[in-house]
Amino acid sequence: GQQLNQSPQSMFIQEGEDVSMNCTSSSIFNTWLWYKQDPGEGPVLLIALYKAGELTSNGRLTAQFGITRKDSFLNISASIPSDVGIYFCAGQSMDSSYKLIFGSGTRLLVRP
Amino acid sequence: SAVISQKPSRDICQRGTSLTIQCQVDSQVTMMFWYRQQPGQSLTLIATANQGSEATYESGFVIDKFPISRPNLTFSTLTVSNMSPEDSSIYLCSVFLATPIYNEQFFGPGTRLTVL
Repeated sequence: GQQLNQSPQSMFIQEGEDVSMNCTSSSIFNTWLWYKQDPGEGPVLLIALYKAGELTSNGRLTAQFGITRKDSFLNISASIPSDVGIYFCAGQSMDSSYKLIFGSGTRLLVRP
Repeated sequence: SAVISQKPSRDICQRGTSLTIQCQVDSQVTMMFWYRQQPGQSLTLIATANQGSEATYESGFVIDKFPISRPNLTFSTLTVSNMSPEDSSIYLCSVFLATPIYNEQFFGPGTRLTVL
């Protein structure tokens, strides 16, 4: 079945540093979504990507949808302590089911 | 976006019992989904629950174990039946919203289930 390979699995960085994480797949996706999950909460949508090659920003977050529709990266610039959490990529099926396939997640820890 | 609430937020249950989780959305949506997130893991889709049709289950999930109701466009329930400790997870509902410009999925806060 479809799988998303997300890396790195975890990151422990200093406040102010930039962060980059990415996802790859052997399958093509229609839409690529990036979520953040805080402890005890559901995932919160950060950025949605719809077009191959699309580069989208949301504040300090920047994400790009790969040209082949099989990969994406998320960058966080100038990290702050509240960036701590688990970040998930998710690919939405090309068919009409609109099902999401999730990556394994990247756990981000920020040292003040 | 959509505001989604779930009840209960958490529960501790005994083996062999069943728990029904409710999901309420602040707007009418056609497509709703139920996911499971096992401890320390990612999210796995259980089933798609569209109003007016039977729920569609993913491989590894069956209706007898996870019956779903979708009585209207703002509400759904997921029941975890005959529970065992392996069912201890966070259960999340999500909704799909689409416009001519975008399509996005939003998640509820989750129900944290512990089975003893």
